Amino acid sequence: QITLKESGPTLVKPTQTVTLTCSFSGFSLSTTGVGVGWIRQPPGKALEWLALIYWNDEKRYSPSLNSRLTIIKDTSKNQVVLTMTNMDPVDTATYYCAHTSPQSESSGYFTYYYYYMDVWGKGTTVTVSS
Amino acid sequence: DLQMTQSPSTLSASVGDRVTITCRASQSISGWLAWYQQKPGKAPKLLIYKASNLESGVPSRFSGGGSGTEFTLTISSLQPDDFATYYCQHYNSFSWTFGQGTKVEIK
Repeated sequence: QITLKESGPTLVKPTQTVTLTCSFSGFSLSTTGVGVGWIRQPPGKALEWLALIYWNDEKRYSPSLNSRLTIIKDTSKNQVVLTMTNMDPVDTATYYCAHTSPQSESSGYFTYYYYYMDVWGKGTTVTVSS
Repeated sequence: DLQMTQSPSTLSASVGDRVTITCRASQSISGWLAWYQQKPGKAPKLLIYKASNLESGVPSRFSGGGSGTEFTLTISSLQPDDFATYYCQHYNSFSWTFGQGTKVEIK
């Protein structure tokens, strides 16, 4: 059974850097095809994808937040860590991590992979306020 | 940039109603679309992936369809547990884009 749990500070001040940890079980991030992503949701608003890291250490970032985000993995600890710099009150949100599962599609000589988010953690709330 | 637009934003329905939510992509995304259900204070739950594949354990009253730029999520007979907000999401290997959500309310 795959489970994920987010942790981090509940309150940060503007301009500070926040570090969020996703601790997971039931899978390994060293297994081919596995990924873990971060998604956030401001109060009363829609979901927004932030970043994702793959088993092979490839990383993807939201273009709008790319300069502020860093995602890393610690395979030995079964953790993924997201760092967001220069926090602002608009970054107040619930932050989720999610496991991704791959699908593939072949076209000629090439195989393309697509990753959907199938298991989510319960989320951790971060409030940005002075 | 790809945009995912859901309609309606809010839907009022009664138990037993057939409900359909639409998700439109600003460009073709083939069939790489997922649907999630979210209840207040809870994490999103995957319902459907690749447009029409039902996730294990999800009731069969949920179904998805469409391809290209237009997709639907249908609940064949709305149950009390189905009142929630639903999100569509395009996925590939380098970006993930959500719609703005559709809230299904009790009429």
